[in-house]
Amino acid sequence: AQKVTQAQTEISVVEKEDVTLDCVYETRDTTYYLFWYKQPPSGELVFLIRRNSFDEQNEISGRYSWNFQKSTSSFNFTITASQVVDSAVYFCALRLSNTGKLIFGQGTTLQVKP
Amino acid sequence: EAGVTQFPSHSVIEKGQTVTLRCDPISGHDNLYWYRRVMGKEIKFLLHFVKESKQDESGMPNNRFLAERTGGTYSTLKVQPAELEDSGVYFCASSQAVRGKQFFGPGTRLTVL
Repeated sequence: AQKVTQAQTEISVVEKEDVTLDCVYETRDTTYYLFWYKQPPSGELVFLIRRNSFDEQNEISGRYSWNFQKSTSSFNFTITASQVVDSAVYFCALRLSNTGKLIFGQGTTLQVKP
Repeated sequence: EAGVTQFPSHSVIEKGQTVTLRCDPISGHDNLYWYRRVMGKEIKFLLHFVKESKQDESGMPNNRFLAERTGGTYSTLKVQPAELEDSGVYFCASSQAVRGKQFFGPGTRLTVL
């Protein structure tokens, strides 16, 4: 069975701090995709990144970076120098190669205080 | 270009009543998905349409839920009769290809009293 676990329910940081959101996944498939979505107060889920299981290169996009490690089945997300606008619920998700269905974790609520 | 839209944004009904949620996908997106998040838990998949056909409905909780996508455009999700445990946020998403990026709507918050 496939599963995504985001152990951190809520995180609170002060602006400019770095913060890492953890994501651990379970699957027996060798081909799969991992995602991060952001849900701001407006409600819609905003796509942040997609990685496939064959590409373990870390990725950096501005203040955002992602660390994918197959050895530990983890796909962690780091925000550097956090800002108040980063406050949102962040979801990690898994998709197998033969389906469009996304399997989500429980989400991590990030609060960045000024 | 308009994103995925959902109506209503919020619905409050009593147990036993019927509610119909609507989703308008991005124009040209053949794939349409319904998901649900119940009270702080994970977002769970309900079903997947490819055009007007149900590709995967493995996540539908029971036969009180009926999803349709007539003509392969907008979709409706009817809950009849609603139960207390149906409360949650219902998300719709669409994508061009099955393996394409899914664009989500803002969700419909359903409260069953």
